[in-house]
Amino acid sequence: GDSVTQMEGPVTLSEEAFLTINCTYTATGYPSLFWYVQYPGEGLQLLLKATKADDKGSNKGFEATYRKETTSFHLEKGSVQVSDSAVYFCALSRHTGNQFYFGTGTSLTVIP
Amino acid sequence: DGGITQSPKYLFRKEGQNVTLSCEQNLNHDAMYWYRQDPGQGLRLIYYSQIVNDFQKGDIAEGYSVSREKKESFPLTVTSAQKNPTAFYLCASSNQQGSGYEQYFGPGTRLTVT
Repeated sequence: GDSVTQMEGPVTLSEEAFLTINCTYTATGYPSLFWYVQYPGEGLQLLLKATKADDKGSNKGFEATYRKETTSFHLEKGSVQVSDSAVYFCALSRHTGNQFYFGTGTSLTVIP
Repeated sequence: DGGITQSPKYLFRKEGQNVTLSCEQNLNHDAMYWYRQDPGQGLRLIYYSQIVNDFQKGDIAEGYSVSREKKESFPLTVTSAQKNPTAFYLCASSNQQGSGYEQYFGPGTRLTVT
């Protein structure tokens, strides 16, 4: 069945460090891929998305490229800030069936 | 502003009582979802609904019930049969039209049962 696997945390980085959070997926067909962010005590917010192979989603300095050949959608940011501290979820949906599949989340802490 | 509201933010109940969590959306979305999140865990799907008066069980439906009488509302009842109901509950909705089908989330309700 469809599934998402993302790197386990927690991840701790110093401010201005480079961030990569790995995400790989298993799915039939051509799913859409998403990154969500969750701040403490809040719901999830959509960070970025990509709907077809080679698409690059970007928002607030974060980027992820839909790589069909490696079934990956890794999240990157060139210079993290303390305010980026949160839990990040990778997710996929297929264009039929309206089901969503979430990874287990990766906790990021950025220290000054 | 369009969005999803969940109330209340915090809810406390005694063991053995049923409790209903509210979820309302004004995004005109067809599909709505309920998830459960435990500390340090991912999201687990409880129920989802793609149209009014229809809903399907998710991965952990036992001990929960839902209704979808209106497009904008999808309340979740946590019954006394749910063995471990203390958790953070998230409601979401999505538009089934177009590509992407991203889900939009409410702020969540933290339920504590003692």
